[in-house]
Amino acid sequence: NAGVMQNPRHLVRRRGQEARLRCSPMKGHSHVYWYRQLPEEGLKFMVYLQKENIIDESGMPKERFSAEFPKEGPSILRIQQVVRGDSAAYFCASSTRNTEAFFGQGTRLTVV
Amino acid sequence: GQQVMQIPQYQHVQEGEDFTTYCNSSTTLSNIQWYKQRPGGHPVFLIQLVKSGEVKKQKRLTFQFGEAKKNSSLHITATQTTDVGTYFCNAGGTSYGKLTFGQGTILTVHP
Repeated sequence: NAGVMQNPRHLVRRRGQEARLRCSPMKGHSHVYWYRQLPEEGLKFMVYLQKENIIDESGMPKERFSAEFPKEGPSILRIQQVVRGDSAAYFCASSTRNTEAFFGQGTRLTVV
Repeated sequence: GQQVMQIPQYQHVQEGEDFTTYCNSSTTLSNIQWYKQRPGGHPVFLIQLVKSGEVKKQKRLTFQFGEAKKNSSLHITATQTTDVGTYFCNAGGTSYGKLTFGQGTILTVHP
């Protein structure tokens, strides 16, 4: 049973481009979470999704950020028109209900 | 999701010294989970506490859940350089939907 898979591991984008971060949860997991982390800081919650539904997006910036978890395929975190302040590590976690979360290795986004 | 405060934010210790980090909530928690993130790595689940007053041990790590289920602690005895990293608590677990983490305690162990 493969763990949570995130790709790419490293992503470089120029200002104004789009960034697409992918997360394949563990097999059998229907809950997906996205977090953002700056160096030496905590995990900032962004969004919680279940299959085809956004359950809680209270941590998502109102503009430029969107997330989806389709019926088939990975969860996608999309950042449009990236700015330097979007540079961070983005972690995805998955779980079943009432169990611990398993994290992917993260995508390090650098905006140049 | 539940909100927790985690203290201290940073802790520097000499190898062999003990270390403790605390999570505090203003509301009663259903459960609490602890995670460790090594530098440059991703958070890894350590343990979940569910019962009031529960104490669990993993080698040199001792986890406690308060009697009122509003606070928890992680204690490391005789730290080693391999203990370096950030320790996070998560309150409530997935039953509350949103996994909300404390801000973490960054542990540095000086050899």
